[in-house]
Amino acid sequence: AAGVIQSPRHLIKEKRETATLKCYPIPRHDTVYWYQQGPGQDPQFLISFYEKMQSDKGSIPDRFSAQQFSDYHSELNMSSLELGDSALYFCASSFSLARGAADTQYFGPGTRLTVL
Amino acid sequence: QQPVQSPQAVILREGEDAVINCSSSKALYSVHWYRQKHGEAPVFLMILLKGGEQKGHEKISASFNEKKQQSSLYLTASQLSYSGTYFCGTRRGIYSGNTPLVFGKGTRLSVIA
Repeated sequence: AAGVIQSPRHLIKEKRETATLKCYPIPRHDTVYWYQQGPGQDPQFLISFYEKMQSDKGSIPDRFSAQQFSDYHSELNMSSLELGDSALYFCASSFSLARGAADTQYFGPGTRLTVL
Repeated sequence: QQPVQSPQAVILREGEDAVINCSSSKALYSVHWYRQKHGEAPVFLMILLKGGEQKGHEKISASFNEKKQQSSLYLTASQLSYSGTYFCGTRRGIYSGNTPLVFGKGTRLSVIA
């Protein structure tokens, strides 16, 4: 079965540089979520999109922005990178079957961002 | 509201059993269980719904106690492959599809030979 695809898998940037992470959800999934996970921590929700519209916003810094395109893929843009942005960034997708709280999120393999 | 997981960490020998708990001070409508190995993505294990039955997945099963607002994950006859960090995730309400999960801080499970 097709899974969530993320690219790149690894990214090394210098402080103050910019980075773009890409996410391709499972086909027919209509919702994309972005999470940030630091070492030894739980995934922290950043932002999500439903049918190409921003649906929820979490602890996403103002330096970050994201969007979902017509083909449902999503990009997370990160500017003025700081050392503290080094983390694993996961994208997850789900399909709203009108099941309410039962919608399952499936995670991509993640992008490991290292800021030097 | 972040769910609370216990214990924070547990070490098992192969073949032993373990229970991981996930509780919330708010009403729970669904609990989603994931396992994550170091440096990898969280992998979905199962979902427990309010009013639903106990679910099972091989030797891993879970239950939902509505009175206690708690879900428990049961790992029986543990295998080395069960090692990882287990997260429970919850949502705000019953009609909260396509809203993000809020994860607990995780339970680190180590199975040794």
